[in-house]
Amino acid sequence: RKEVEQDPGPFNVPEGATVAFNCTYSNSASQSFFWYRQDCRKEPKLLMSVYSSGNEDGRFTAQLNRASQYISLLIRDSKLSDSATYLCVVNMRNNAGNMLTFGGGTRLMVKP
Amino acid sequence: DAGVTQSPTHLIKTRGQQVTLRCSPISGHKSVSWYQQVLGQGPQFIFQYYEKEERGRGNFPDRFSARQFPNYSSELNVNALLLGDSALYLCASSLAPQGAMTGNTIYFGEGSWLTVV
Repeated sequence: RKEVEQDPGPFNVPEGATVAFNCTYSNSASQSFFWYRQDCRKEPKLLMSVYSSGNEDGRFTAQLNRASQYISLLIRDSKLSDSATYLCVVNMRNNAGNMLTFGGGTRLMVKP
Repeated sequence: DAGVTQSPTHLIKTRGQQVTLRCSPISGHKSVSWYQQVLGQGPQFIFQYYEKEERGRGNFPDRFSARQFPNYSSELNVNALLLGDSALYLCASSLAPQGAMTGNTIYFGEGSWLTVV
């Protein structure tokens, strides 16, 4: 089982739609959680951190369920510019030290 | 201010050769990490350095090595290249080691695209 799992998609949605991505992680000792966005052939960029109480940034809402080891990202009113790959990222501490562990990414395509 | 800078941006190597990739972190950042991203997959952690000491190592063979210099820049070396080493190599910098504190945002460079033929 992968340490961080995501549905690879692609999710094809029309402009204005609401779309949700899910992510599960295997290490219950994980300490912090993030969503990164990666455009084609570009580097990942931090979209938002994910807090236990849930957090919102404009059209984006992130939720964390520690009991189920589950993270979600909700995008409302999708824009064409939201088309990208969304990476679920978990900061884990193991014998190798602290390390960011990335999911495989979920590809989103927003169409006119 | 400059972001994380990496060089070279693209390179082609032959199987069995060696490669050195370079990274300069954001000014003031003391932590540098390296990731390998194979096409269609998420980045995989290779190494983390903080204050010139290795702070973490991912599940990569000994052909992969790295170091951090007094100015906090870093090099990643890969020996005896294999076709499967073809990937985007990403460098990330942060003020503190990954996971050290809340708000310790990690910034990625644009990466070095390595093709092994």
